[in-house]
Amino acid sequence: KQEVTQIPAALSVPEGENLVLNCSFTDSAIYNLQWFRQDPGKGLTSLLLIQSSQREQTSGRLNASLDKSSGRSTLYIAASQPGDSATYLCAVRRDSGNTPLVFGKGTRLSVIA
Amino acid sequence: GAVVSQHPSRVICKSGTSVKIECRSLDFQATTMFWYRQFPKKSLMLMATSNEGSKATYEQGVEKDKFLINHASLTLSTLTVTSAHPEDSSFYICSARDRGFNQPQHFGDGTRLSIL
Repeated sequence: KQEVTQIPAALSVPEGENLVLNCSFTDSAIYNLQWFRQDPGKGLTSLLLIQSSQREQTSGRLNASLDKSSGRSTLYIAASQPGDSATYLCAVRRDSGNTPLVFGKGTRLSVIA
Repeated sequence: GAVVSQHPSRVICKSGTSVKIECRSLDFQATTMFWYRQFPKKSLMLMATSNEGSKATYEQGVEKDKFLINHASLTLSTLTVTSAHPEDSSFYICSARDRGFNQPQHFGDGTRLSIL
Protein backbone atom coordinates (compact mmCIF):
# COMPACT_ATOMS: atom_id res chain seq x y z
CA LYS A 1 0.00 0.00 0.00
CA GLN A 2 1.37 3.38 -1.02
CA GLU A 3 2.24 5.75 1.80
CA VAL A 4 3.21 9.38 1.33
CA THR A 5 5.15 11.27 3.98
CA GLN A 6 5.82 14.98 4.11
CA ILE A 7 8.52 16.59 6.17
CA PRO A 8 8.45 18.94 7.98
CA ALA A 9 4.88 19.02 9.23
CA ALA A 10 5.16 22.75 9.83
CA LEU A 11 7.65 25.39 8.84
CA SER A 12 8.01 29.06 9.68
CA VAL A 13 10.42 31.27 7.74
CA PRO A 14 11.06 34.99 7.34
CA GLU A 15 10.00 36.65 4.13
CA GLY A 16 12.52 36.39 1.31
CA GLU A 17 13.97 33.03 2.26
CA ASN A 18 14.27 30.17 -0.16
CA LEU A 19 12.82 26.95 1.21
CA VAL A 20 12.39 23.28 0.40
CA LEU A 21 9.48 21.03 1.25
CA ASN A 22 10.02 17.30 1.18
CA CYS A 23 7.80 14.44 0.09
CA SER A 24 8.59 10.74 0.08
CA PHE A 25 6.57 7.77 -1.10
CA THR A 26 7.03 4.08 -0.40
CA ASP A 27 6.11 2.59 -3.78
CA SER A 28 8.20 4.02 -6.60
CA ALA A 29 5.83 2.66 -9.26
CA ILE A 30 3.93 5.88 -9.76
CA TYR A 31 2.30 7.45 -12.81
CA ASN A 32 2.72 11.04 -11.71
CA LEU A 33 3.11 13.26 -8.68
CA GLN A 34 1.22 16.44 -7.97
CA TRP A 35 1.85 19.30 -5.56
CA PHE A 36 -1.09 21.26 -4.20
CA ARG A 37 -1.64 24.30 -2.06
CA GLN A 38 -4.52 24.56 0.40
CA ASP A 39 -5.52 27.75 2.15
CA PRO A 40 -7.48 27.46 5.42
CA GLY A 41 -11.07 26.42 4.83
CA LYS A 42 -10.54 26.16 1.10
CA GLY A 43 -10.13 23.48 -1.51
CA LEU A 44 -6.89 22.49 -3.17
CA THR A 45 -5.09 24.41 -5.87
CA SER A 46 -2.88 22.40 -8.19
CA LEU A 47 0.63 23.86 -8.34
CA LEU A 48 2.72 21.43 -10.35
CA LEU A 49 2.36 18.00 -11.88
CA ILE A 50 5.42 15.88 -12.62
CA GLN A 51 5.10 12.88 -14.86
CA SER A 52 6.96 9.75 -13.80
CA SER A 53 9.38 10.19 -16.72
CA GLN A 54 10.24 13.76 -15.73
CA ARG A 55 12.82 15.04 -13.26
CA GLU A 56 11.42 18.47 -12.54
CA GLN A 57 8.79 21.07 -13.32
CA THR A 58 8.90 24.81 -12.81
CA SER A 59 6.23 27.44 -12.45
CA GLY A 60 7.30 30.94 -11.48
CA ARG A 61 9.02 30.81 -8.11
CA LEU A 62 8.16 27.14 -7.66
CA ASN A 63 10.28 24.21 -8.73
CA ALA A 64 9.35 20.61 -8.08
CA SER A 65 11.77 17.75 -8.53
CA LEU A 66 11.14 14.04 -8.71
CA ASP A 67 13.52 11.16 -8.00
CA LYS A 68 11.25 8.26 -8.70
CA SER A 69 13.74 5.51 -7.96
CA SER A 70 14.37 6.79 -4.45
CA GLY A 71 10.73 7.71 -3.87
CA ARG A 72 11.31 11.40 -3.26
CA SER A 73 10.08 14.76 -4.44
CA THR A 74 10.90 18.25 -3.31
CA LEU A 75 9.09 21.53 -3.76
CA TYR A 76 11.42 24.50 -3.84
CA ILE A 77 9.97 27.95 -3.21
CA ALA A 78 12.22 30.87 -4.06
CA ALA A 79 12.08 34.27 -2.39
CA SER A 80 9.15 33.34 -0.16
CA GLN A 81 6.36 35.85 0.45
CA PRO A 82 3.68 36.10 3.16
CA GLY A 83 1.14 35.16 0.50
CA ASP A 84 2.85 31.79 0.20
CA SER A 85 1.59 30.89 3.68
CA ALA A 86 -0.61 27.82 3.28
CA THR A 87 -0.54 24.06 3.61
CA TYR A 88 1.31 22.29 0.82
CA LEU A 89 0.24 18.78 -0.07
CA CYS A 90 2.03 16.19 -2.11
CA ALA A 91 0.09 13.39 -3.81
CA VAL A 92 0.98 10.48 -6.08
CA ARG A 93 -1.06 8.64 -8.66
CA ARG A 94 -0.46 4.95 -9.16
CA ASP A 95 -1.43 4.42 -12.77
CA SER A 96 -3.21 5.85 -15.78
CA GLY A 97 -6.57 4.38 -14.77
CA ASN A 98 -9.25 5.90 -12.59
CA THR A 99 -7.17 5.52 -9.46
CA PRO A 100 -7.29 8.21 -6.80
CA LEU A 101 -4.39 10.28 -5.58
CA VAL A 102 -2.68 9.22 -2.37
CA PHE A 103 -1.91 12.25 -0.23
CA GLY A 104 0.66 13.13 2.36
CA LYS A 105 -0.44 14.97 5.48
CA GLY A 106 0.97 18.24 4.22
CA THR A 107 3.45 20.86 5.36
CA ARG A 108 1.97 23.96 6.98
CA LEU A 109 4.06 26.92 5.86
CA SER A 110 4.10 30.32 7.51
CA VAL A 111 6.07 33.13 5.89
CA ILE A 112 6.60 35.98 8.33
CA ALA A 113 6.78 39.54 7.01
CA GLY B 1 -7.83 26.03 -17.34
CA ALA B 2 -9.93 23.23 -15.95
CA VAL B 3 -12.16 24.19 -13.06
CA VAL B 4 -14.21 22.17 -10.63
CA SER B 5 -17.17 23.89 -9.01
CA GLN B 6 -18.62 22.67 -5.74
CA HIS B 7 -21.87 23.86 -4.20
CA PRO B 8 -22.87 24.81 -1.56
CA SER B 9 -19.77 26.12 0.15
CA ARG B 10 -21.32 25.96 3.58
CA VAL B 11 -24.30 24.18 5.13
CA ILE B 12 -25.64 24.43 8.64
CA CYS B 13 -28.61 22.25 9.43
CA LYS B 14 -30.37 20.25 12.09
CA SER B 15 -29.63 16.67 12.94
CA GLY B 16 -31.62 14.25 10.78
CA THR B 17 -31.55 16.43 7.67
CA SER B 18 -30.24 15.08 4.39
CA VAL B 19 -27.78 17.31 2.60
CA LYS B 20 -26.84 17.22 -1.08
CA ILE B 21 -23.51 18.53 -2.34
CA GLU B 22 -22.93 19.09 -6.05
CA CYS B 23 -19.65 18.85 -7.91
CA ARG B 24 -19.34 20.05 -11.48
CA SER B 25 -16.49 20.02 -13.93
CA LEU B 26 -16.95 23.30 -15.77
CA ASP B 27 -14.90 23.01 -18.92
CA PHE B 28 -14.04 19.37 -19.23
CA GLN B 29 -15.70 15.98 -19.05
CA ALA B 30 -14.87 13.82 -16.08
CA THR B 31 -15.72 10.14 -16.26
CA THR B 32 -14.43 9.83 -12.73
CA MET B 33 -14.79 12.14 -9.77
CA PHE B 34 -13.50 11.64 -6.25
CA TRP B 35 -15.06 12.61 -2.95
CA TYR B 36 -12.86 13.40 0.04
CA ARG B 37 -13.46 14.30 3.64
CA GLN B 38 -11.09 16.40 5.67
CA PHE B 39 -10.99 16.85 9.43
CA PRO B 40 -9.43 19.97 10.97
CA LYS B 41 -5.68 20.14 10.39
CA LYS B 42 -5.70 16.69 8.83
CA SER B 43 -5.08 15.51 5.31
CA LEU B 44 -7.73 14.41 2.87
CA MET B 45 -9.41 11.07 3.35
CA LEU B 46 -10.80 9.47 0.21
CA MET B 47 -14.41 8.46 0.70
CA ALA B 48 -15.39 7.16 -2.71
CA THR B 49 -14.68 7.17 -6.40
CA SER B 50 -17.63 8.26 -8.47
CA ASN B 51 -17.94 6.72 -11.92
CA GLU B 52 -20.24 8.18 -14.56
CA GLY B 53 -23.12 5.87 -15.30
CA SER B 54 -22.22 3.24 -12.74
CA LYS B 55 -22.11 2.67 -9.01
CA ALA B 56 -19.55 4.46 -6.93
CA THR B 57 -16.67 2.61 -5.35
CA TYR B 58 -16.50 3.27 -1.61
CA GLU B 59 -13.45 3.09 0.57
CA GLN B 60 -13.37 0.73 3.50
CA GLY B 61 -15.30 2.06 6.46
CA VAL B 62 -17.43 4.51 4.45
CA GLU B 63 -21.13 3.68 4.61
CA LYS B 64 -22.60 3.72 1.12
CA ASP B 65 -26.14 4.07 2.45
CA LYS B 66 -25.07 7.05 4.48
CA PHE B 67 -23.16 8.81 1.75
CA LEU B 68 -25.10 8.43 -1.48
CA ILE B 69 -23.20 9.26 -4.63
CA ASN B 70 -24.75 9.86 -8.02
CA HIS B 71 -22.70 10.57 -11.13
CA ALA B 72 -25.42 11.04 -13.70
CA SER B 73 -23.44 12.93 -16.33
CA LEU B 74 -19.89 13.58 -17.42
CA THR B 75 -19.88 16.93 -15.67
CA LEU B 76 -21.88 16.37 -12.48
CA SER B 77 -21.52 14.21 -9.42
CA THR B 78 -23.53 14.60 -6.22
CA LEU B 79 -22.90 13.46 -2.68
CA THR B 80 -25.91 13.20 -0.38
CA VAL B 81 -25.30 12.86 3.32
CA THR B 82 -28.46 11.13 4.50
CA SER B 83 -29.97 11.74 7.92
CA ALA B 84 -26.92 13.72 8.94
CA HIS B 85 -25.76 13.73 12.55
CA PRO B 86 -23.20 15.93 14.36
CA GLU B 87 -20.44 13.38 13.74
CA ASP B 88 -20.93 13.94 10.01
CA SER B 89 -19.83 17.55 10.41
CA SER B 90 -16.73 17.97 8.32
CA PHE B 91 -15.19 19.55 5.24
CA TYR B 92 -16.12 17.65 2.07
CA ILE B 93 -14.12 18.18 -1.12
CA CYS B 94 -14.73 16.80 -4.59
CA SER B 95 -12.17 16.33 -7.30
CA ALA B 96 -12.12 15.47 -10.98
CA ARG B 97 -9.65 14.71 -13.71
CA ASP B 98 -9.94 15.49 -17.37
CA ARG B 99 -9.57 12.56 -19.73
CA GLY B 100 -6.31 12.27 -21.58
CA PHE B 101 -2.67 11.64 -20.92
CA ASN B 102 -1.32 12.69 -17.55
CA GLN B 103 -4.01 15.22 -16.73
CA PRO B 104 -3.77 16.94 -13.34
CA GLN B 105 -6.47 16.42 -10.76
CA HIS B 106 -8.51 19.50 -9.90
CA PHE B 107 -10.43 20.17 -6.73
CA GLY B 108 -13.53 22.07 -5.77
CA ASP B 109 -13.48 24.69 -3.03
CA GLY B 110 -15.07 22.31 -0.56
CA THR B 111 -18.26 22.27 1.47
CA ARG B 112 -18.21 22.97 5.18
CA LEU B 113 -21.00 20.88 6.70
CA SER B 114 -22.11 21.65 10.24
CA ILE B 115 -24.83 19.53 11.81
CA LEU B 116 -26.40 20.96 14.96
